[in-house]
Formats: sequence, structure tokens, C-alpha cells
Amino acid sequence: DAGITQSPRHKVTETGTPVTLRCHQTENHRYMYWYRQDPGHGLRLIHYSYGVKDTDKGEVSDGYSVSRSKTEDFLLTLESATSSQTSVYFCAISRGAGELFFGEGSRLTVL
Amino acid sequence: GEDVEQSLFLSVREGDSSVINCTYTDSSSTYLYWYKQEPGAGLQLLTYIFSNMDMKQDQRLTVLLNKKDKHLSLRIADTQTGDSAIYFCAESIEGGGADGLTFGKGTHLIIQP
Repeated sequence: DAGITQSPRHKVTETGTPVTLRCHQTENHRYMYWYRQDPGHGLRLIHYSYGVKDTDKGEVSDGYSVSRSKTEDFLLTLESATSSQTSVYFCAISRGAGELFFGEGSRLTVL
Repeated sequence: GEDVEQSLFLSVREGDSSVINCTYTDSSSTYLYWYKQEPGAGLQLLTYIFSNMDMKQDQRLTVLLNKKDKHLSLRIADTQTGDSAIYFCAESIEGGGADGLTFGKGTHLIIQP
């Protein structure tokens, strides 16, 4: 299902470098989300968006920023990556009635 | 605050029924969900239930909700090797709108031959 794509799918970077992950949807949904998944923590919400230029913080937003200049794109930026941000990042869109449709994930390793 | 709890592992024999349990704390939860994650993939919605329902059945899946005890369970009948995955319980007040979903840590379902 190509309704949502994430890029890059894998990235290795060094501490202190900026990183941007991109989420692209083709379904024109209003709500988009960024989650991170870590062993022992499940999925935790980083930021979400409820429209173009409308974003808000989630549970674990420190060290992350987001932007949504177009309906179809939701960007997650790590201004200065740290090792604690090594994780798998999932983008999701809301299709209504709580059906979050997830991308395939972006695995980020910060050395 | 919202909190969703699940056991981390469940091991069952192929052909038996699997029952995955979940408890939640927010009594104002409107929707409760079960998601499945296969290795290397994103989460996939399996089923969901409205808080005014007690049970929902969909083929091999049965969801039971005890709102008084804030307990949700997922029963998978005739468990197959393809059911091996991580199962996440999740809750929402607004149906996945502004607040997104709050997920449990996930239950690893292990199938024994």
C-alpha cells in the first residue's frame, strides 16, 4: 500500500549532525503523526499535525521539530542528533475513527 | 494521565487460541484498538471497538471490553505461524484526531509448532 512513504528508510549519522526525515502521503488526510519506537517503550508520539502549518507537541518532543508546508508532506527534524535519538521512526496518517495508517518506518542510528 | 499496560510475551501452540490482554487507565477513552506489527514493518490496524460495546468479532478475532475494569482482550482462534508478531493495544479519546493514540508496549506472540 503506497498511501504513505517515508524517506530515508535507513540512515546512519554522527552525533551533532542535523537529520531530516520525510513523510509523504497521497491520501490528502488532515492529521499526520510522528512516533518513535524503542524496545521497552512501545510507540511514543513525538509531534503531530492537524493541517498545513498547524503542528503540536507530543509526549517526547524535546530535541525534535516538525514542519508541514503542504498537506502531503510532514517533515521531522533533529537539529543536532544525539545517541538517545537512535530509534525507528514511524509516520502515520489518520483515516478516521482511529485508524492510524503507518509508514514502513525509518531506522536512524546516531553514532 | 493515559497509560496502557500489556504483558510483553505470550507463547502458544499452533492451533490453540491466543488471548492477549491489556489494561488502560483513562476512563474517558472512546475507542480502543488492536494493532499488529510484523518484523521490519509498520503497524497495521487489526480491529477496534467503541467504548459502548462489550464484544466485537471478526473472523478469527474476538475483542472483549470490560469497561468497568478497564480491561481489553484480543482472542485469536486457531493460532497460525503467520500470527507471530507484536500486538499493540491502543486507546484514544478523540478517535485518532488531535491526540493521536496512546499505545501499550506491545505483546510478542510466539507460536510453538
